[in-house]
Amino acid sequence: GAVVSQHPSWVICKSGTSVKIECRSLDFQATTMFWYRQFPKQSLMLMATSNEGSKATYEQGVEKDKFLINHASLTLSTLTVTSAHPEDSSFYICSARDREREQFFGPGTRLTVL
Amino acid sequence: GQNIDQPTEMTATEGAIVQINCTYQTSGFNGLFWYQQHAGEAPTFLSYNVLDGLEEKGRFSSFLSRSKGYSYLLLKELQMKDSASYLCAVLDSNYQLIWGAGTKLIIKP
Repeated sequence: GAVVSQHPSWVICKSGTSVKIECRSLDFQATTMFWYRQFPKQSLMLMATSNEGSKATYEQGVEKDKFLINHASLTLSTLTVTSAHPEDSSFYICSARDREREQFFGPGTRLTVL
Repeated sequence: GQNIDQPTEMTATEGAIVQINCTYQTSGFNGLFWYQQHAGEAPTFLSYNVLDGLEEKGRFSSFLSRSKGYSYLLLKELQMKDSASYLCAVLDSNYQLIWGAGTKLIIKP
C-alpha cells in the first residue's frame, strides 16, 4: 500500500518557539493532504485541507496565522506551529489522498510544548 | 448537520466475536471507512465499503447498508492485540472524511 511519512515523530519545545512538521507521500502523488489534531481520548479533528500549489482551507476555529501550511509539491506538505504554547501540545497527524481518492495516514507527530 | 454515531466503549473476551456498529447522517455519501487506532499511534486502514453488503478480509468483516445509514465492523477470533479504538468515517459529497468519535475495544483474557 501507499506510504506516508511524517517527521519528526515527536518533538519537545519551549513555549514561544515554532515547530515544523513534514508530511511526505513516498510512493504516490498526493493531490490533497490533510492535517489533523488529536487530543488524548478524543477523535481526530480536521485542521486544514491543502491542495498542491494553492492555499490551505482551514476548518472553523483553526487559526491560519498560527498553523502555517505549505503544500509545495505533490509529495510534501508542511505544518508549522508558530509561537507554540502548552495548549498546542497534541498529536498531529497528516494524511494524503491519491488520485483514487483513498486516504493514507502518516504515523503522527507528538508535540509537547513546555 | 453531519453526524456519525458509534458506541464509546465495548468489552469482549479473547477468542470471541464482536460487532461494532456505526450509524451516519451525512451530506452525500462516497463510501465508509473503518480504521484501527492503537493508543499513541496514527489510524491504520481496515476497510472501505461503498456498495451494500459484506466485505470480508481475514478476521475482519465490514457491512454496509446505505438505505439505513448503517455499517458494522465484525471482528472474529479476537486477540489481545485487537484492543484499540475503532474509527468509523464517511466520505461525504465533497470527498471530505467525516469522523466518528471512535469505539474503544477492550479485550479480556
